[in-house]
Amino acid sequence: AQSVTQPDIHITVSEGASLELRCNYSYGATPYLFWYVQSPGQGLQLLLKYFSGDTLVQGIKGFEAEFKRSQSSFNLRKPSVHWSDAAEYFCALWVTGNNRKLIWGLGTSLAVNP
Amino acid sequence: NAGVTQTPKFQVLKTGQSMTLQCAQDMNHEYMSWYRQDPGMGLRLIHYSVGAGITDQGEVPNGYNVSRSTTEDFPLRLLSAAPSQTSVYFCASSSGSLLGTDTQYFGPGTRLTVL
Repeated sequence: AQSVTQPDIHITVSEGASLELRCNYSYGATPYLFWYVQSPGQGLQLLLKYFSGDTLVQGIKGFEAEFKRSQSSFNLRKPSVHWSDAAEYFCALWVTGNNRKLIWGLGTSLAVNP
Repeated sequence: NAGVTQTPKFQVLKTGQSMTLQCAQDMNHEYMSWYRQDPGMGLRLIHYSVGAGITDQGEVPNGYNVSRSTTEDFPLRLLSAAPSQTSVYFCASSSGSLLGTDTQYFGPGTRLTVL
């Protein structure tokens, strides 16, 4: 069965510290993976996506993610967090075929201490 | 482009009432979907459409109907509102690549409370 797991429900980091948000997936075919961010009271915005090729993907707002097939992971990273990065982060997997759709993780809530 | 628009932004209903949440996009996207977002449960797919005249159920379709008569519009109907349908509803659209290589664009959401 297809699934996306985000092991960390809530993470708190200090401003300027590095960040890594974890995402694990289960899927029998080639995964197409996404990270979205949701600021408080807002809709979702795409940070980055992976389809093929280079396993290190660059996104907006200084984020990057690394796809590791052997670990079924697609972790999101940022070298230095800003207070404005406080938000909810969602990892998602696109399931191909006739019933194509996104499978979502439950999200990780990021708090940033000044 | 306005992108994906949703109306209303907020709505309060009484149990048993019906209503329609509107969603429109001006990007000529084939793929549209409705999600509900509840605390601790992430985003759950209610219904989706891969093009005008074609709709299908997601993981939580009960109590909701959809139709897709045009490419632009994808309304979500609550037939008889229940308190369990209190949630934030998001509409999303994308060009509909079979491989999912395109970005999903989300509307700002509708916050629905059912009393």
